[in-house]
Amino acid sequence: DADVTQTPRNRITKTGKRIMLECSQTKGHDRMYWYRQDPGLGLRLIYYSFDVKDINKGEISDGYSVSRQAQAKFSLSLESAIPNQTALYFCATSAAERGPYNEQFFGPGTRLTVL
Amino acid sequence: QKEVEQNSGPLSVPEGAIASLNCTYSDRGSQSFFWYRQYSGKSPELIMFIYSNGDKEDGRFTAQLNKASQYVSLLIRDSQPSDSATYLCAVYRPSNTGKLIFGQGTTLQVKP
Repeated sequence: DADVTQTPRNRITKTGKRIMLECSQTKGHDRMYWYRQDPGLGLRLIYYSFDVKDINKGEISDGYSVSRQAQAKFSLSLESAIPNQTALYFCATSAAERGPYNEQFFGPGTRLTVL
Repeated sequence: QKEVEQNSGPLSVPEGAIASLNCTYSDRGSQSFFWYRQYSGKSPELIMFIYSNGDKEDGRFTAQLNKASQYVSLLIRDSQPSDSATYLCAVYRPSNTGKLIFGQGTTLQVKP
């Protein structure tokens, strides 16, 4: 089945370490997104990419960077992790804009803990 | 005012009852509306989407859209304990360049 995968699924790290979260998809979608989710704060968009050469900041991009290595791969990096980046991180994909059909499909998530 | 608002709940209903989840949005340019179900610690899963006024049914789920009043709702008939989850409403508007705006979600508890 066409799918969205994320690695690692769980990660515990220390303050100041560099961390990379990876996302791969076999859906053939052009658009990819990174969200974080915190209790009571819902899903917040970190970065999004509409194709390999198009990368955009979301609402909470400070402290994060991304790389779109290929249509199917989108990585999120925390250059110097801090405890308030402890959260559940989701990658999502969607097809190119098709009128009202803009549903996003989510990967299984990465639970990141920064000590 | 948040662009997409949901009552955080929890909404508690007995097994077999109808659960009604509501979502309001502020931008009249919003075009399509999505309901996601999220179990604790898991990823959001798309249940339904709707873009025309009225009702759209899929099994036990019915999405209702009223653009004049700017609300969208999700009805779950014959609620089961397995429906206990957080339900996220998401809104798409063309002026937002393809991004979805998510509400904070409503937690549903279905009691046996």
